[in-house]
Amino acid sequence: NAGVTQTPKFRILKIGQSMTLQCTQDMNHNYMYWYRQDPGMGLKLIYYSVGAGITDKGEVPNGYNVSRSTTEDFPLRLELAAPSQTSVYFCASSNDPYRETQYFGPGTRLLVL
Amino acid sequence: DAKTTQPNSMESNEEEPVHLPCNHSTISGTDYIHWYRQLPSQGPEYVIHGLTSNVNNRMASLAIAEDRKSSTLILHRATLRDAAVYYCILRDVDDKVIFGPGTSLSVIP
Repeated sequence: NAGVTQTPKFRILKIGQSMTLQCTQDMNHNYMYWYRQDPGMGLKLIYYSVGAGITDKGEVPNGYNVSRSTTEDFPLRLELAAPSQTSVYFCASSNDPYRETQYFGPGTRLLVL
Repeated sequence: DAKTTQPNSMESNEEEPVHLPCNHSTISGTDYIHWYRQLPSQGPEYVIHGLTSNVNNRMASLAIAEDRKSSTLILHRATLRDAAVYYCILRDVDDKVIFGPGTSLSVIP
């Protein structure tokens, strides 16, 4: 059981470039989440999904897109990278976010220059 | 929205108990109270959760007020490895799980 895996671990982007952050979980969880964490700050929810084919916005969705075509994968797309998107991105999954724990991936550190 | 408030920071001496408070006055009857912690340069990790009764596990204890409007995470003997940011969270009105700023715990040797 690998849990939640994220790739890449670290990436440098130029302003205006695009990229996809990958997230995969092997626990058959329906719920998946993307958070960002700016230096010295708490986590902010970007997007979440309650199952394949269903996604919804979190607190800070602007500049990002997601899709959920399978239960396992929940990629996060940055279309026109901006310096404000420099952050650490965490993916998480859960079987039941009310009664059970969320499992977090190791994070992707993104630097936009 | 279900919100929580926590002190920004706390200090504890090593090997002493630590009581981390959390207020959640707008909690609904079905909201579970979850605690996570984040060690430096790592992702958050689960600590404990509960609904109404006090809960214990190998990491910590969770004391929930009778009216459920507050809770306290108890670390029985703080170690240097417990220095982290501790988050108390509830679910939002739908399926969102929102993290607040948390409490930064420093442990003094």
